Amino acid sequence: QKEVEQDPGPLSVPEGAIVSLNCTYSNSAFQYFMWYRQYSRKGPELLMYTYSSGNKEDGRFTAQVDKSSKYISLFIRDSQPSDSATYLCAMSQGAQKLVFGQGTRLTINP
Amino acid sequence: NAGVMQNPRHLVRRRGQEARLRCSPMKGHSHVYWYRQLPEEGLKFMVYLQKENIIDESGMPKERFSAEFPKEGPSILRIQQVVRGDSAAYFCASSPTTSEETQYFGPGTRLLVL
Repeated sequence: QKEVEQDPGPLSVPEGAIVSLNCTYSNSAFQYFMWYRQYSRKGPELLMYTYSSGNKEDGRFTAQVDKSSKYISLFIRDSQPSDSATYLCAMSQGAQKLVFGQGTRLTINP
Repeated sequence: NAGVMQNPRHLVRRRGQEARLRCSPMKGHSHVYWYRQLPEEGLKFMVYLQKENIIDESGMPKERFSAEFPKEGPSILRIQQVVRGDSAAYFCASSPTTSEETQYFGPGTRLLVL
């Protein structure tokens, strides 16, 4: 079993839809949770960073962490074609290595 | 403030040659991490370094791979006697010296072994 599980998709939704991306994990020691966006043949770009459980909102993006269920989510409101990318969840125990999910390939159709 | 810089962006090597990948962290960052991304897979941790120290190399293959982060200059990931299975995108990330945990990634080096 992988430490971090993420549905690779692909996921295709119409422009303006609400997108929900999720990851589950098995290591209860993870304390820091991140979402990265990666465009084709580019480096990962940090989108959201959350410490421990709770919600965090930044513009059209909302990150949720439920440590009791070992489940994290990223919501994208009013999705745009420019949001089309691969979304990677990542987590760590501290100032150490990040453990990534496989990534979900998302396409927003105009 | 310049981001994480990596060079070269693309590298082609024949089997048995050496590959050297360079990474300059963001200004003020003294923690460097290397990750490898195989096609259609997520990023896998390789090594974590601070200036002149290897902190965690648990993700490095036991042979042919080495990394350094000298007092002066960029961090270098070295792959000796490359094989086709080494073909991948190699990403470097850096984080600040404070307790902040986030890592910022460079554009990557795409290695192709012929």
